[in-house]
Amino acid sequence: AQTVTQSQPEMSVQEAETVTLSCTYDTSESDYYLFWYKQPPSRQMILVIRQEAYKQQNATENRFSVNFQKAAKSFSLKISDSQLGDAAMYFCAYRSNTGTASKLTFGTGTRLQVTL
Amino acid sequence: KAGVTQTPRYLIKTRGQQVTLSCSPISGHRSVSWYQQTPGQGLQFLFEYFSETQRNKGNFPGRFSGRQFSNSRSEMNVSTLELGDSALYLCASSRSAAVYEQYFGPGTRLTVT
Repeated sequence: AQTVTQSQPEMSVQEAETVTLSCTYDTSESDYYLFWYKQPPSRQMILVIRQEAYKQQNATENRFSVNFQKAAKSFSLKISDSQLGDAAMYFCAYRSNTGTASKLTFGTGTRLQVTL
Repeated sequence: KAGVTQTPRYLIKTRGQQVTLSCSPISGHRSVSWYQQTPGQGLQFLFEYFSETQRNKGNFPGRFSGRQFSNSRSEMNVSTLELGDSALYLCASSRSAAVYEQYFGPGTRLTVT
């Protein structure tokens, strides 16, 4: 079974600064997807960024980028120029691309605080 | 395009009762997944439906069941509610089972007293 680990329960960053959230995962599969989801106080899960395991190039979405290290099974999220609206819980998630297994396996989350 | 909608948003039930939650996916999406979120267990996969068929099921007791209708709307049912069933229930939809991006609804907050 796949597992996802987020070792930072809480992180804090000053507005306009950069922060990196860590995620490691364990799998024996070679074909899968990784995601970062954001859950603000409204509780709605919002997809931030995705990475296909077969792609070597790290995904980027505006101020959000990932550092995907397949051999190390590491998938960190970098938020640049942090904004107050980035304050939320961030979840790392894994999805197999094998067979019919389409469920998301989530980490325990990192609560990000953004300060002035 | 409207997002995933879930009804009701909040629900209070007593132990032993049953409850039905509803999820309407994004228009054109045929796959619906359900997740339970609790402070203790985090986010856990309940089940997934595609074209009215259950494709995957998580490790939950038989009290948790679901179904999907021909218009892709889905319902989940919990019978004989227990205090531990108090949680945020999230529904997510994707265009098909092979499409990896899932879009979540706002959730239904269930409180069991």
